[in-house]
Amino acid sequence: QSALTQPASVSGSPGQSITISCTGTSTDVGGYNHVSWYQQHPGKAPKLLIFDVSDRPSGISDRFSGSKSGNTASLTISGLQAEDEADYYCSSYTTSSTRVFGTGTKVTVL
Amino acid sequence: QVQLVESGGGVVQPGRSLRLSCTGSGFSFRSFGMHWVRQPPGKGLEWLAVISAAGNKKYYADSVKGRFTISRDNAKNTLFLQVNSLRGEDTAVYYCAKDSETAAASWWGQGTLVTVSS
Repeated sequence: QSALTQPASVSGSPGQSITISCTGTSTDVGGYNHVSWYQQHPGKAPKLLIFDVSDRPSGISDRFSGSKSGNTASLTISGLQAEDEADYYCSSYTTSSTRVFGTGTKVTVL
Repeated sequence: QVQLVESGGGVVQPGRSLRLSCTGSGFSFRSFGMHWVRQPPGKGLEWLAVISAAGNKKYYADSVKGRFTISRDNAKNTLFLQVNSLRGEDTAVYYCAKDSETAAASWWGQGTLVTVSS
C-alpha cells in the first residue's frame, strides 16, 4: 500500500491552467475508475473535488477536471484563481478494498 | 446538512490506548460506510480504515492492522476508532469521513488532534 506519487509543488499565474499528476499501479489507479481528488486549505478539512476520475460533486466549479491514462490520473485546474492556492491529494480504491492517498501537491498562485 | 464531529483526542503517553468517536447528523448514518484518515502535523493524508454501513466489513491500512480497530453504533449515529499501543508517529489530526457509492470520501469532519508524548 505505497502512497500514490504526486509532484510536491505546482505553480501558475492567475488565469493559467495547471495539471497535477497522480501515479499509482495496476492494483489501484490503473485497475479501477474510483480515483478521487481532494482540496485542503491550511487548517481545514479536505474537500472532495472529483470522484470516479472525472465527475464533480454538486457545487464544485467546472474549472476543476480530471482524467486518467493507464496508471496515472490527472487533475487540471483551469482559469487559476487565488482561492485555488491549497494542497491537493488524489486517492484511489485498491484491490484490497482499501484506499490509498497520494503524497500531496502544494499549488501556489503566483 | 451533513455534519461529522470527531472527539476523543488529546495528549496521551506512549503505549497507552485511546478511543476516538465521530458522530454524524444530517444524513442516514446507517446507510453509508465510514472512513478514518489521519494527517501528521505538516504532512500528508494517510488512509487508515473503512467500515461498511452495517458494520460487518472492515478494511485496514497495513500500517495499522492489528493495532487499530474501527467500529460503529448505528443506533447512536457514531463511528469509533480504537487505537492501542500508541507511538510518537501516531501524533496526527484524525478525521472521519463519509463514504459514497463511488468509493470517495464525500464529506469530512473537522478532525480531532491526538498527541502522543510523555
